[in-house]
Amino acid sequence: KQEVTQIPAALSVPEGENLVLNCSFTDSAIYNLQWFRQDPGKGLTSLLLIQSSQREQTSGRLNASLDKSSGRSTLYIAASQPGDSATYLCAVAKTSYDKVIFGPGTSLSVIP
Amino acid sequence: EADIYQTPRYLVIGTGKKITLECSQTMGHDKMYWYQQDPGMELHLIHYSYGVNSTEKGDLSSESTVSRIRTEHFPLTLESARPSHTSQYLCASKGGILTDTQYFGPGTRLTVL
Repeated sequence: KQEVTQIPAALSVPEGENLVLNCSFTDSAIYNLQWFRQDPGKGLTSLLLIQSSQREQTSGRLNASLDKSSGRSTLYIAASQPGDSATYLCAVAKTSYDKVIFGPGTSLSVIP
Repeated sequence: EADIYQTPRYLVIGTGKKITLECSQTMGHDKMYWYQQDPGMELHLIHYSYGVNSTEKGDLSSESTVSRIRTEHFPLTLESARPSHTSQYLCASKGGILTDTQYFGPGTRLTVL
C-alpha cells in the first residue's frame, strides 16, 4: 500500500531564504507526482506535476525534482516571500486512473 | 485557472436534514473526486468516479452518497446530516489529454448543529 510522508511537518523561515520541502513515497511504481499549495480554509492549487519519466519541473521560483528509485521528491522555493506562507502537499498516483495518495503536508511560514 | 465549482461555499444546517453539495467542472474531465478535510488535518478520499455512471467509495468510510449522471456534474448527498459530518468537503477533477493535473474546487465548509 502506497504511503506518502512529508518532512518537515512545519517550517518557519525569514523572507528571502531559499528552502526545500521533502516528500517520500514507499512504492516507486508511480505514474506521476504533483505538488499542491493550500491556503487556510481554501481548496488546493496545483503547483507542479512531474510525470514518472521526468526528473524535474520548474515554474517561476519553484522547482520540483523526482527520484523514483529512492521514492523521493523535493520542492525548492527560491527567495521566499510572505505570500508563500501556506501548506504544501505532495500527491502520487500509480496510474492515470488510480486514486491519488496525498501526503500530510508541510506548513510553511515566511516571516517578513 | 481551474474551471471547477462548488456550491454552497458555506452551509450551516440542523441535524437530520438532507443536504446535497454540488460540484461542477467545465473541463470535460472524466475523473472526479470528493475529499473530506478537517481543519489542519489531512485530506481523506471519500468518493471518486472514472466517468458517467461510475462511482466508487474512497479510503474513508462515509455515510454520504454520490452520483455521476453527467460528465460535468458530481453531487454529494447526505441523507441525514449529523454533527460528526461537520467538515470541509473538497471536490476535484482530472483527465486532460496533455496533462494529468488534478484540479480542486474552492470547497464547501459544512457545519451541522
